[in-house]
Amino acid sequence: DVKVTQSSRYLVKRTGEKVFLECVQDMDHENMFWYRQDPGLGLRLIYFSYDVKMKEKGDIPEGYSVSREKKERFSLILESASTNQTSMYLCASVGGSGVRYEQYFGPGTRLTVT
Amino acid sequence: AQKVTQAQTEISVVEKEDVTLDCVYETRDTTYYLFWYKQPPSGELVFLIRRNSFDEQNEISGRYSWNFQKSTSSFNFTITASQVVDSAVYFCALLLYNQGGKLIFGQGTELSVKP
Repeated sequence: DVKVTQSSRYLVKRTGEKVFLECVQDMDHENMFWYRQDPGLGLRLIYFSYDVKMKEKGDIPEGYSVSREKKERFSLILESASTNQTSMYLCASVGGSGVRYEQYFGPGTRLTVT
Repeated sequence: AQKVTQAQTEISVVEKEDVTLDCVYETRDTTYYLFWYKQPPSGELVFLIRRNSFDEQNEISGRYSWNFQKSTSSFNFTITASQVVDSAVYFCALLLYNQGGKLIFGQGTELSVKP
Protein backbone atom coordinates (compact mmCIF):
# COMPACT_ATOMS: atom_id res chain seq x y z
CA ASP A 1 0.00 0.00 0.00
CA VAL A 2 3.06 2.26 -0.33
CA LYS A 3 2.20 5.48 -2.11
CA VAL A 4 4.90 8.09 -1.40
CA THR A 5 8.35 7.18 -0.14
CA GLN A 6 11.27 9.32 0.89
CA SER A 7 14.85 8.11 0.74
CA SER A 8 15.71 8.66 4.40
CA ARG A 9 13.81 9.17 7.65
CA TYR A 10 16.82 10.74 9.38
CA LEU A 11 19.84 12.42 7.87
CA VAL A 12 22.83 14.21 9.41
CA LYS A 13 25.03 16.34 7.16
CA ARG A 14 27.82 18.82 7.62
CA THR A 15 27.69 22.49 6.66
CA GLY A 16 28.66 22.97 3.03
CA GLU A 17 27.77 19.46 1.90
CA LYS A 18 25.54 18.88 -1.09
CA VAL A 19 22.41 17.02 0.03
CA PHE A 20 19.89 15.09 -2.04
CA LEU A 21 16.44 14.23 -0.72
CA GLU A 22 14.54 11.81 -2.91
CA CYS A 23 10.81 11.34 -3.18
CA VAL A 24 9.11 8.61 -5.19
CA GLN A 25 5.37 8.09 -5.79
CA ASP A 26 3.69 5.09 -7.38
CA MET A 27 0.34 6.65 -8.31
CA ASP A 28 1.23 8.23 -11.66
CA HIS A 29 0.48 11.69 -10.27
CA GLU A 30 1.53 14.73 -12.26
CA ASN A 31 1.98 17.12 -9.35
CA MET A 32 4.60 16.77 -6.66
CA PHE A 33 5.62 19.11 -3.86
CA TRP A 34 8.37 19.67 -1.31
CA TYR A 35 7.54 21.29 2.03
CA ARG A 36 9.58 21.99 5.09
CA GLN A 37 8.18 22.04 8.57
CA ASP A 38 9.51 24.11 11.44
CA PRO A 39 8.07 24.61 14.94
CA GLY A 40 5.64 27.50 15.06
CA LEU A 41 5.73 27.99 11.30
CA GLY A 42 3.71 25.03 10.08
CA LEU A 43 4.56 23.61 6.66
CA ARG A 44 5.91 25.89 3.99
CA LEU A 45 6.19 25.16 0.28
CA ILE A 46 9.72 25.07 -1.14
CA TYR A 47 9.23 23.89 -4.74
CA PHE A 48 6.66 22.05 -6.78
CA SER A 49 6.43 20.38 -10.16
CA TYR A 50 3.48 19.91 -12.51
CA ASP A 51 5.21 17.57 -14.90
CA VAL A 52 8.52 16.01 -15.84
CA LYS A 53 11.28 18.61 -16.17
CA MET A 54 8.91 21.34 -14.96
CA LYS A 55 9.41 23.16 -11.68
CA GLU A 56 7.97 26.17 -9.91
CA LYS A 57 9.25 28.06 -6.91
CA GLY A 58 7.18 27.95 -3.78
CA ASP A 59 7.28 30.37 -0.89
CA ILE A 60 10.81 29.65 0.36
CA PRO A 61 12.99 28.39 -2.54
CA GLU A 62 16.23 30.12 -1.48
CA GLY A 63 19.06 27.66 -0.93
CA TYR A 64 17.24 24.82 -2.68
CA SER A 65 16.87 23.41 -6.16
CA VAL A 66 14.85 20.48 -7.53
CA SER A 67 14.99 17.89 -10.26
CA ARG A 68 12.17 15.95 -11.93
CA GLU A 69 13.63 13.72 -14.63
CA LYS A 70 10.96 11.04 -14.29
CA LYS A 71 7.31 11.40 -13.44
CA GLU A 72 7.53 9.29 -10.30
CA ARG A 73 10.61 10.94 -8.78
CA PHE A 74 11.04 14.45 -7.41
CA SER A 75 14.37 15.35 -5.82
CA LEU A 76 15.16 18.23 -3.52
CA ILE A 77 18.77 19.44 -3.58
CA LEU A 78 20.57 21.52 -1.01
CA GLU A 79 23.55 22.80 -2.98
CA SER A 80 25.53 23.80 0.11
CA ALA A 81 23.79 22.80 3.31
CA SER A 82 23.58 25.33 6.11
CA THR A 83 22.49 25.00 9.72
CA ASN A 84 19.31 26.98 9.06
CA GLN A 85 18.21 24.19 6.75
CA THR A 86 17.92 21.82 9.68
CA SER A 87 14.27 20.87 9.47
CA MET A 88 11.68 18.24 8.68
CA TYR A 89 11.15 17.83 4.93
CA LEU A 90 7.93 16.40 3.56
CA CYS A 91 7.15 15.39 0.02
CA ALA A 92 3.60 15.28 -1.35
CA SER A 93 2.01 13.91 -4.49
CA VAL A 94 -1.30 15.13 -5.94
CA GLY A 95 -3.45 13.78 -8.73
CA GLY A 96 -6.95 13.07 -9.98
CA SER A 97 -9.72 15.57 -10.52
CA GLY A 98 -12.98 16.69 -8.98
CA VAL A 99 -14.18 14.42 -6.22
CA ARG A 100 -11.38 12.00 -7.06
CA TYR A 101 -8.72 14.58 -6.19
CA GLU A 102 -6.23 12.83 -3.97
CA GLN A 103 -3.16 13.87 -2.12
CA TYR A 104 -0.59 11.90 -0.17
CA PHE A 105 2.42 12.74 1.93
CA GLY A 106 5.62 10.79 2.38
CA PRO A 107 6.83 9.90 5.88
CA GLY A 108 9.21 12.86 6.08
CA THR A 109 12.97 13.29 6.38
CA ARG A 110 14.43 14.89 9.51
CA LEU A 111 17.57 16.62 8.32
CA THR A 112 20.17 17.92 10.76
CA VAL A 113 22.97 20.10 9.45
CA THR A 114 25.90 20.47 11.86
CA ALA B 1 -4.68 36.33 -0.14
CA GLN B 2 -4.80 32.64 0.68
CA LYS B 3 -4.36 31.86 4.32
CA VAL B 4 -5.21 29.35 7.02
CA THR B 5 -5.36 30.37 10.65
CA GLN B 6 -5.31 28.01 13.59
CA ALA B 7 -5.52 30.43 16.47
CA GLN B 8 -4.94 27.82 19.17
CA THR B 9 -1.25 27.02 19.42
CA GLU B 10 -1.58 24.57 22.29
CA ILE B 11 -4.53 22.93 24.00
CA SER B 12 -4.38 20.76 27.07
CA VAL B 13 -7.33 18.67 28.22
CA VAL B 14 -7.98 15.78 30.56
CA GLU B 15 -8.96 12.43 29.13
CA LYS B 16 -12.68 12.08 28.26
CA GLU B 17 -13.14 15.79 27.76
CA ASP B 18 -14.44 17.05 24.44
CA VAL B 19 -12.15 19.42 22.55
CA THR B 20 -12.63 21.59 19.46
CA LEU B 21 -9.78 22.70 17.23
CA ASP B 22 -10.54 25.84 15.25
CA CYS B 23 -9.60 26.52 11.64
CA VAL B 24 -10.38 29.65 9.64
CA TYR B 25 -9.37 30.00 6.01
CA GLU B 26 -9.19 32.72 3.39
CA THR B 27 -9.39 32.25 -0.35
CA ARG B 28 -11.06 33.87 -3.35
CA ASP B 29 -11.08 30.60 -5.26
CA THR B 30 -14.48 28.99 -5.63
CA THR B 31 -13.06 25.49 -5.94
CA TYR B 32 -10.88 24.33 -3.12
CA TYR B 33 -10.41 21.51 -0.63
CA LEU B 34 -9.91 21.57 3.09
CA PHE B 35 -7.97 18.96 4.99
CA TRP B 36 -7.18 18.00 8.55
CA TYR B 37 -4.01 16.08 9.33
CA LYS B 38 -2.71 14.57 12.53
CA GLN B 39 1.02 14.52 13.18
CA PRO B 40 2.11 12.22 16.00
CA PRO B 41 5.64 12.44 17.46
CA SER B 42 6.92 10.13 14.69
CA GLY B 43 6.46 13.06 12.31
CA GLU B 44 4.37 11.41 9.65
CA LEU B 45 1.29 13.33 8.52
CA VAL B 46 -1.82 11.22 8.96
CA PHE B 47 -4.74 12.18 6.74
CA LEU B 48 -8.01 12.61 8.68
CA ILE B 49 -10.51 14.22 6.34
CA ARG B 50 -10.94 16.06 3.06
CA ARG B 51 -13.83 18.34 2.17
CA ASN B 52 -14.41 20.12 -1.14
CA SER B 53 -15.86 23.61 -1.33
CA PHE B 54 -19.17 22.38 -2.73
CA ASP B 55 -19.91 19.99 0.09
CA GLU B 56 -20.86 21.66 3.36
CA GLN B 57 -22.19 18.54 4.99
CA ASN B 58 -20.77 17.94 8.41
CA GLU B 59 -19.07 14.64 8.96
CA ILE B 60 -18.68 12.29 11.87
CA SER B 61 -16.19 9.46 12.08
CA GLY B 62 -16.22 7.71 15.40
CA ARG B 63 -15.13 10.22 18.03
CA TYR B 64 -14.15 12.75 15.38
CA SER B 65 -16.48 15.28 13.80
CA TRP B 66 -16.00 18.22 11.48
CA ASN B 67 -18.10 21.35 11.04
CA PHE B 68 -17.61 23.11 7.68
CA GLN B 69 -19.25 26.53 7.37
CA LYS B 70 -18.56 28.55 4.24
CA SER B 71 -20.42 31.55 5.64
CA THR B 72 -17.75 31.98 8.30
CA SER B 73 -14.90 30.32 6.32
CA SER B 74 -14.37 27.85 9.10
CA PHE B 75 -13.65 24.13 9.24
CA ASN B 76 -13.56 23.14 12.88
CA PHE B 77 -12.62 19.74 14.24
CA THR B 78 -14.08 18.23 17.41
CA ILE B 79 -12.81 15.22 19.30
CA THR B 80 -15.39 13.73 21.63
CA ALA B 81 -14.28 11.89 24.77
CA SER B 82 -10.60 12.56 24.10
CA GLN B 83 -7.98 9.89 24.74
CA VAL B 84 -4.27 10.04 25.47
CA VAL B 85 -3.60 8.63 21.98
CA ASP B 86 -5.16 11.77 20.52
CA SER B 87 -2.15 13.77 21.71
CA ALA B 88 -0.48 15.15 18.59
CA VAL B 89 -0.13 18.24 16.47
CA TYR B 90 -3.13 18.82 14.22
CA PHE B 91 -2.93 20.77 10.99
CA CYS B 92 -5.68 22.31 8.96
CA ALA B 93 -4.84 22.92 5.29
CA LEU B 94 -6.35 24.57 2.23
CA LEU B 95 -5.71 22.97 -1.17
CA LEU B 96 -5.92 25.27 -4.17
CA TYR B 97 -7.47 23.27 -7.00
CA ASN B 98 -6.60 25.84 -9.67
CA GLN B 99 -2.98 25.91 -8.59
CA GLY B 100 -2.20 22.27 -9.12
CA GLY B 101 -2.93 21.18 -5.60
CA LYS B 102 -0.76 23.57 -3.61
CA LEU B 103 -1.47 23.24 0.07
CA ILE B 104 -1.51 26.14 2.47
CA PHE B 105 -1.18 25.02 6.06
CA GLY B 106 -2.16 26.55 9.33
CA GLN B 107 0.49 26.72 11.99
CA GLY B 108 -0.84 23.69 13.77
CA THR B 109 -2.44 23.09 17.15
CA GLU B 110 -0.62 20.92 19.64
CA LEU B 111 -3.13 18.88 21.59
CA SER B 112 -2.10 17.30 24.85
CA VAL B 113 -4.52 14.86 26.46
CA LYS B 114 -3.60 14.00 30.03
CA PRO B 115 -4.78 10.83 31.77
